[in-house]
Amino acid sequence: DTGVSQDPRHKITKRGQNVTFRCDPISEHNRLYWYRQTLGQGPEFLTYFQNEAQLEKSRLLSDRFSAERPKGSFSTLEIQRTEQGDSAMYLCASSDPGREGYGYTFGSGTRLTVV
Amino acid sequence: AQSVTQLDSQVPVFEEAPVELRCNYSSSVSVYLFWYVQYPNQGLQLLLKYLSGSTLVKGINGFEAEFNKSQTSFHLRKPSVHISDTAEYFCAVGRPAGTALIFGKGTTLSVSS
Repeated sequence: DTGVSQDPRHKITKRGQNVTFRCDPISEHNRLYWYRQTLGQGPEFLTYFQNEAQLEKSRLLSDRFSAERPKGSFSTLEIQRTEQGDSAMYLCASSDPGREGYGYTFGSGTRLTVV
Repeated sequence: AQSVTQLDSQVPVFEEAPVELRCNYSSSVSVYLFWYVQYPNQGLQLLLKYLSGSTLVKGINGFEAEFNKSQTSFHLRKPSVHISDTAEYFCAVGRPAGTALIFGKGTTLSVSS
């Protein structure tokens, strides 16, 4: 068990470019979550998957955002036509539904800076 | 809908002093409650959780929290802090049958010598 891995750790991009982040959850966890954290704020929920099914999306997830988990393992979060307001830490977490309420295991996050 | 309010944005304390970080929640249904810690440029690490049972919950690094249903609170305490406890602390609430955790805005604990 190597924990939740996120790649890249840091990403600097120009406004208008597309970016994609990857998350590898703990292997036995079939729930995977994406959160966004801006400076001085707590994590804000974006979306979550159970296996490959995307079951819930926040209103924060605009049309420019898309997330996939094609085989129920790793997940990607893509942001199209990035804006400066997208600058944030993007956190991935996974959980084990067999232990409902246990809490998430978070990755170290991907810090996005849009210039 | 659920919500979490962390009552203090910053808490400065001296090393070896006791500390309490306050968290109130709002929910119309039963909840699970969590405290997470975040060190600079890192993800969140689970400190402790309340699911059911004993209202006093012990976690890692000497932290504990008490669930108070009547006050809708889940305050985090440590009897003697260390410099290494300097970090951001987040309270979170979730539903037993639900999915996404809702986080508070965080409390910055600064421990000085």
